[in-house]
Amino acid sequence: GAGVSQSPSNKVTEKGKDVELRCDPISGHTALYWYRQSLGQGLEFLIYFQGNSAPDKSGLPSDRFSAERTGGSVSTLTIQRTQQEDSAVYLCASSLVQLGNSPLHFGNGTRLTVT
Amino acid sequence: AQSVTQLGSHVSVSEGALVLLRCNYSSSVPPYLFWYVQYPNQGLQLLLKYTSAATLVKGINGFEAEFKKSETSFHLTKPSAHMSDAAEYFCAVSDAEGAQKLVFGQGTRLTINP
Repeated sequence: GAGVSQSPSNKVTEKGKDVELRCDPISGHTALYWYRQSLGQGLEFLIYFQGNSAPDKSGLPSDRFSAERTGGSVSTLTIQRTQQEDSAVYLCASSLVQLGNSPLHFGNGTRLTVT
Repeated sequence: AQSVTQLGSHVSVSEGALVLLRCNYSSSVPPYLFWYVQYPNQGLQLLLKYTSAATLVKGINGFEAEFKKSETSFHLTKPSAHMSDAAEYFCAVSDAEGAQKLVFGQGTRLTINP
């Protein structure tokens, strides 16, 4: 079946511009996660959705970052006024139910480069 | 809050040799534990998971991991490395508070020498 789909796969933007990253989770998965993977770093948690609500936004680095999820499905991560330090691979993952015994299924990520 | 430490950002072994990737977590409460693998230019794939059913967990591609509560460790092993095992490996533990997200280690890049 279809996995987690992220678009675009690559995005190059100029410093100061806004970007939107999209995630299509696996159909029926209620939980959706955004992580960031920087060069030489591990995965940094950004935000978690259960349905359309976000119980945990603790990982968003600043108020330039926001995310929403509509219809319990597609999610968009928006970065306003991008900075060079925002350059990273942004990973989306979904799971069937709230994490515990249900593993995360990851997309291939969006590689963001801020010039 | 949970934290995960992977000892060794790079590990290099010869083809056919034992693979040992180390992972330690911080919590005294046995959480859910996972190993994920990321092949070049691909997303993360689940390798195996520990959910308290058994301390020795077998995963895909011949990998296994042993949960040791007394050592707060969950090291990943494979008896005989194959060239196709070259990848980055991430240990992850569920957040102890409500188990709502995974906390990942920094990753270990495994290189296999012919």
